[in-house]
Amino acid sequence: ILNVEQSPQSLHVQEGDSTNFTCSFPSSNFYALHWYRWETAKSPEALFVMTLNGDEKKKGRISATLNTKEGYSYLYIKGSQPEDSATYLCALTSGTYKYIFGTGTRLKVLA
Amino acid sequence: DSGVTQTPKHLITATGQRVTLRCSPRSGDLSVYWYQQSLDQGLQFLIQYYNGEERAKGNILERFSAQQFPDLHSELNLSSLELGDSALYFCASSVDGGSSDTQYFGPGTRLTVL
Repeated sequence: ILNVEQSPQSLHVQEGDSTNFTCSFPSSNFYALHWYRWETAKSPEALFVMTLNGDEKKKGRISATLNTKEGYSYLYIKGSQPEDSATYLCALTSGTYKYIFGTGTRLKVLA
Repeated sequence: DSGVTQTPKHLITATGQRVTLRCSPRSGDLSVYWYQQSLDQGLQFLIQYYNGEERAKGNILERFSAQQFPDLHSELNLSSLELGDSALYFCASSVDGGSSDTQYFGPGTRLTVL
């Protein structure tokens, strides 16, 4: 069974701070890595899908990188805003198309 | 609004009963996924369908079954319900169900088993 780990579990940052989280996964049997943003009382919203080693994706102030050889992905948020407060999930697609989610990083941005 | 709809929003039932959750994918999406979010666990992948056929299976119990119909809507059937089946059940859809396909999640159905 593949395990996807995210760290930290939660963090509080001040408005304007930049922050980053980590998603770690077994480097073998990799197909794709998905990042989602999940606000309270809503459903997960796709941020990025990454497939290639060295991939970098960006959407506004949020960006992500992928290292499939060492089995990790970083999600960066530049200049955090209160509306960035959410749980950020990563999910690994394995060789048999199964979707294995990490437990998420809960971000709280303080105004 | 992702374009994925799920009904009902809430469902309260008793142990031993059977329920059906329904999902309509985004227009044009051929693949549907089902997930379970329990209180003490992360999102668990249950099953995926593509154009009416089962594509992948995750941690789905034998008491649970699903299908995707010709009009592409999907139903998740949960039977012999137990207290531990209480959870938020999400449906997601994607265009072609590939491993790098973006998934769009519905609002979820909250199931409470008493």
